[in-house]
Amino acid sequence: AQTVTQSQPEMSVQEAETVTLSCTYDTSESDYYLFWYKQPPSRQMILVIRQEAYKQQNATENRFSVNFQKAAKSFSLKISDSQLGDAAMYFCAYRSAQGGSEKLVFGKGTKLTVNP
Amino acid sequence: EAGVTQFPSHSVIEKGQTVTLRCDPISGHDNLYWYRRVMGKEIKFLLHFVKESKQDESGMPNNRFLAERTGGTYSTLKVQPAELEDSGVYFCASSHRKVAGADTQYFGPGTRLTVL
Repeated sequence: AQTVTQSQPEMSVQEAETVTLSCTYDTSESDYYLFWYKQPPSRQMILVIRQEAYKQQNATENRFSVNFQKAAKSFSLKISDSQLGDAAMYFCAYRSAQGGSEKLVFGKGTKLTVNP
Repeated sequence: EAGVTQFPSHSVIEKGQTVTLRCDPISGHDNLYWYRRVMGKEIKFLLHFVKESKQDESGMPNNRFLAERTGGTYSTLKVQPAELEDSGVYFCASSHRKVAGADTQYFGPGTRLTVL
């Protein structure tokens, strides 16, 4: 079974600075998808960024980018120019690309605090 | 476009009672998922509907949990009888059906269930 590990329960960053959240995963599959979701306080979870394993190029979405290292099974999220609104729980998730299984496998999450 | 909605937002019940959680997916989304986060642990998959059919219910913890999706629209998750370990946040997500590729799962705000 696949597992996702987020080794940083909490992180903090100064506004306008850059922070990197770690995520590692374990799988025997060669094709899969990886996601970072964000859940602000008392609000619903939203997708931040996604990566297809077959793509070597790292995904980017504005200030958010990933460092996808397939051999190392690592999928870190970098937030540049951090803003107060980035404060949230961040969840890393894995999804198999094999047919029949669409469930997301989540890590425990990292709570990000942004200091003004 | 309205997002995924869940009702109630909070529920506090006594052990042994019954609780029914409801999820309304985004209109037109055939896929509906239930997940649960127990305090301090990962968000765990419960089950997946495609329209009114259960595609994957491998995450359902036991037969005290019953999920339905009559008519392929909204879904209910009933816990009967509730136990202390059922406490947690229950998330619903929906996605559009695609032939291939991982479509984004859009999450609802969750229902916080407390069993006393």
